[in-house]
Amino acid sequence: SQQGEEDPQALSIQEGENATMNCSYKTSINNLQWYRQNSGRGLVHLILIRSNEREKHSGRLRVTLDTSKKSSSLLITASRAADTASYFCAGMDTGRRALTFGSGTRLQVQP
Amino acid sequence: GAVVSQHPSRVICKSGTSVKIECRSLDFQATTMFWYRQFPKQSLMLMATSNEGSKATYEQGVEKDKFLINHASLTLSTLTVTSAHPEDSSFYICSARGLKTSTMNTEAFFGQGTRLTVV
Repeated sequence: SQQGEEDPQALSIQEGENATMNCSYKTSINNLQWYRQNSGRGLVHLILIRSNEREKHSGRLRVTLDTSKKSSSLLITASRAADTASYFCAGMDTGRRALTFGSGTRLQVQP
Repeated sequence: GAVVSQHPSRVICKSGTSVKIECRSLDFQATTMFWYRQFPKQSLMLMATSNEGSKATYEQGVEKDKFLINHASLTLSTLTVTSAHPEDSSFYICSARGLKTSTMNTEAFFGQGTRLTVV
């Protein structure tokens, strides 16, 4: 499967700052999901945005989706040291129901 | 949300041996399970899709004879890495979908993952 791209690959910020991660994908999707993964651990689902939605909020998270550009962004506001993790976008391919993951962004939040 | 349990969480095996990883859906019937592999500092790559009672569909480049997938029941899928070699060392993670989670716009439910180290 063709993997999506995320940028930046790595991001280091200070606690309290906002973190923005971008994702581009290649196929047609039904929805796009964002996951967090702490080092060596499993995936934690953060938020799902449907293909007919443009923006969605959940707590300190804001996700946008632009299907014309095949891109999405994840904004984490007022970051905390505990937000340090890798973040992946994943698009659900139309018809296949499998997720295609982006390359990921490693976020480091300095206390 | 639905619970998917994966076992073991870590396994170390000798080169040439086979390792079986189990993925169980604890509170729903999983009609479809997906197996992913993740190498260090890389993303997750889909290996195969299995539907209960039928043969798995493997992604291009994944050897079906090396990675045996069995989905014999609606709550259990297994991935067996046969004749494992050091290059098979990776993080393997399963995901399950079922009758209650079968709509497109629901989150995927993942197991905790298995860290395989082949020495």
